[in-house]
Amino acid sequence: DQQVKQNSPSLSVQEGRISILNCDYTNSMFDYFLWYKKYPAEGPTFLISISSIKDKNEDGRFTVFLNKSAKHLSLHIVPSQPGDSAVYFCAASLRIQGAQKLVFGQGTRLTINP
Amino acid sequence: DVKVTQSSRYLVKRTGEKVFLECVQDMDHENMFWYRQDPGLGLRLIYFSYDVKMKEKGDIPEGYSVSREKKERFSLILESASTNQTSMYLCASRGAGTGVGNTEAFFGQGTRLTVV
Repeated sequence: DQQVKQNSPSLSVQEGRISILNCDYTNSMFDYFLWYKKYPAEGPTFLISISSIKDKNEDGRFTVFLNKSAKHLSLHIVPSQPGDSAVYFCAASLRIQGAQKLVFGQGTRLTINP
Repeated sequence: DVKVTQSSRYLVKRTGEKVFLECVQDMDHENMFWYRQDPGLGLRLIYFSYDVKMKEKGDIPEGYSVSREKKERFSLILESASTNQTSMYLCASRGAGTGVGNTEAFFGQGTRLTVV
């Protein structure tokens, strides 16, 4: 049962344009959503997060939008740069009594073309 | 600088061997996680822990066990390694609470395990 889904395995964008990565989730009890970036042979690095009580969070070139009614979030990167080429993972956090469960999507490989 | 350290970058083990993957964090985090990453499947949660000696099954716990005897250390154990456990294994830690600095999880560099 995949609770967090990234339906696009890959995305190709021209340098300087906007990259939009999408993520859908099924559990309305998730309290935080996060985006991570991953290069080959390295661990994922945190990019940006959003609380379930907000609908937008911005940090430099990165903006995350949350649409709770649609159970959908998106990551916007503007402007896209060649160094943004990586795999991007969406994640969601769920509190289960004393524990925090953090689940990830399948990832989207972003390629920025010069 | 925050740090999550996995004991090995690369491991090659034989089918049937008992395998230990170690993870240590220096951030005094309550929560620790083990994932495996496979092409097309993303990061799948194997086990997680929210306190010493406390553990919870993730989405794919079969064939694995974990140990958390100290707060900073979370070990993943493959009781009898099989070829379908060949994967990239990632450890992460995260603080409790919802304040700034506690929402993100920090990852180790990963262990590429090959079972032959």
